[in-house]
Amino acid sequence: AQSVTQLDSQVPVFEEAPVELRCNYSSSVSVYLFWYVQYPNQGLQLLLKYLSGSTLVKGINGFEAEFNKSQTSFHLRKPSVHISDTAEYFCAVSERETGGFKTIFGAGTRLFVKA
Amino acid sequence: SAVISQKPSRDICQRGTSLTIQCQVDSQVTMMFWYRQQPGQSLTLIATANQGSEATYESGFVIDKFPISRPNLTFSTLTVSNMSPEDSSIYLCSVMSGSRYGYTFGSGTRLTVV
Repeated sequence: AQSVTQLDSQVPVFEEAPVELRCNYSSSVSVYLFWYVQYPNQGLQLLLKYLSGSTLVKGINGFEAEFNKSQTSFHLRKPSVHISDTAEYFCAVSERETGGFKTIFGAGTRLFVKA
Repeated sequence: SAVISQKPSRDICQRGTSLTIQCQVDSQVTMMFWYRQQPGQSLTLIATANQGSEATYESGFVIDKFPISRPNLTFSTLTVSNMSPEDSSIYLCSVMSGSRYGYTFGSGTRLTVV
């Protein structure tokens, strides 16, 4: 992937409201797509991934994402957020290159869930 | 997926000193990756460590500053040498179970250089 863009650096939302975190990428080849979550003072944890097949992918903690090839997007959604979802979310794109895969991470979106 | 134990979890170091970060994986892996996450920013790949060969460094990172060891298929260390406040970051090690499964990350080392 030449670039990964997370369009929102911060997303404040009230508890139980729906949320969408946006991710767009640019690439000239087929890609694998991932969303990671980083809770405060922790490493990254894989939320979900798109490899092939159905464009709607379900992950852990009630999150899902939809791959849109024509719009080169992979937006993350959750219908009802909890306070515990407050974290940093990173979109990542992997593409095959000589010798293996190259992965690029987006700049991250900080989700802040308010009571 | 693999489980990674990374230590130390955090440290405060004096400028000019060095810190070695260790990562232990519970299974054998061919490649281990070291990332830096500067405050408020995303992850930047420092280098890829293969067992039995020298690490491959990304643009902007050099071996003298970030020497890496990979003595076997389950362990690696990253040293941050001659530290300055600009090295204050979170450092993460990672392995990949084939890109189909994404990366597994250690819990990170939060480094503060004073």
